Amino acid sequence: GEEVAQTPKHLVRGEGQKAKLYCAPIKGHSYVFWYQQVLKNEFKFLISFQNENVFDETGMPKERFSAKCLPNSPCSLEIQATKLEDSAVYFCASSLPSGYQYFGPGTRLTVT
Amino acid sequence: QKEVEQNSGPLSVPEGAIASLNCTYSDRGSQSFFWYRQYSGKSPELIMSIYSNGDKEDGRFTAQLNKASQYVSLLIRDSQPSDSATYLCAVRLQGGSQGNLIFGKGTKLSVKP
Repeated sequence: GEEVAQTPKHLVRGEGQKAKLYCAPIKGHSYVFWYQQVLKNEFKFLISFQNENVFDETGMPKERFSAKCLPNSPCSLEIQATKLEDSAVYFCASSLPSGYQYFGPGTRLTVT
Repeated sequence: QKEVEQNSGPLSVPEGAIASLNCTYSDRGSQSFFWYRQYSGKSPELIMSIYSNGDKEDGRFTAQLNKASQYVSLLIRDSQPSDSATYLCAVRLQGGSQGNLIFGKGTKLSVKP
């Protein structure tokens, strides 16, 4: 498609529950990025993929967060045992090898 | 710690005025610089990119880059109420598109009719 698609739009989980977020990049874009936006404006990079391979995972809290980009499937970001501080908007972005990052609409995760 | 600093604002300007948004970055190895606009509850939208020292103009927007001073700015001429949003400065270390963006916390702009 021509836009980055993210599902669901909103997700509510009780503390300790699992959360799974999905991202379909723009068709033809080989790079996918996940960002977390907390406190309205503070963006934090989580992980990036080049096709199905992890490119950079320096931002991932590895003990509870995992992500995948498998062929012919949306990319996913999974949080095991969510905590209150995981409440945020999670943005996915995609790009061509020599292009800009285009952002999806985001998934708002609320952990109660 | 690689940082991008912006004045959080709010910056309030009257309609028709020039809005000036500023950003500094800490890492001298930064290669690419971007301005994104984010309306409340929406995703960031790319406004401008700049890679070399000097000015780059696109319509009412002008981005300015000074690598020696590690400073990026965005000027919005003839500001409109629809320009009211949070403007995010983002920096990428690597020259290609593979690197992640490091964002400032954004400057909230309010254009008064």
